[in-house]
Amino acid sequence: RKEVEQDPGPFNVPEGATVAFNCTYSNSASQSFFWYRQDCRKEPKLLMSVYSSGNEDGRFTAQLNRASQYISLLIRDSKLSDSATYLCVGLYSGGYQKVTFGTGTKLQVIP
Amino acid sequence: GAVVSQHPSWVICKSGTSVKIECRSLDFQATTMFWYRQFPKQSLMLMATSNEGSKATYEQGVEKDKFLINHASLTLSTLTVTSAHPEDSSFYICSARDQGLNTEAFFGQGTRLTVV
Repeated sequence: RKEVEQDPGPFNVPEGATVAFNCTYSNSASQSFFWYRQDCRKEPKLLMSVYSSGNEDGRFTAQLNRASQYISLLIRDSKLSDSATYLCVGLYSGGYQKVTFGTGTKLQVIP
Repeated sequence: GAVVSQHPSWVICKSGTSVKIECRSLDFQATTMFWYRQFPKQSLMLMATSNEGSKATYEQGVEKDKFLINHASLTLSTLTVTSAHPEDSSFYICSARDQGLNTEAFFGQGTRLTVV
């Protein structure tokens, strides 16, 4: 089983729609989680960190459920510019560091 | 914010030659850097974890003698693809974290390697 799993999509949504992605993780010792955005042929860029209490940044809301071992990303009022691949990332910092990526979920916002 | 610089951004090389890719953390110290490979339409796959002053830790299935990693200082890690073959053509990305806990990973711009 992969350490971090995501639905690869693609998610095709109309402009203005609300879309949610989920990501599950298997390493219960993972300490921190992040959502990254990757545009085609570019490096991933941090979208937002994910806090246990949930956090919001404009149209984006991230949630972490440690009991069920999943994180989520909600995008409200989708824009065309939101079209990208969204990667969830788990970070483990025990005796060693390890950053594990999900496979990514592709989002296509349609006019 | 923290910046990671990766060089070169693209390279074309002949089969059998070696290619070195550099990854630098510009404004923070990184005891650990990560090297990923991404084939078209696929996710980032961790190749190895580069540790400053010690040997890199390779993921299963990654040949350590083919992908040589050197992390000689707190701001520089290099990945050398030795005896490159066309199947090594891919997008290679490094990332680094500040030594503080729970900070996000910052990425280099990536290197697109084409072996002909």
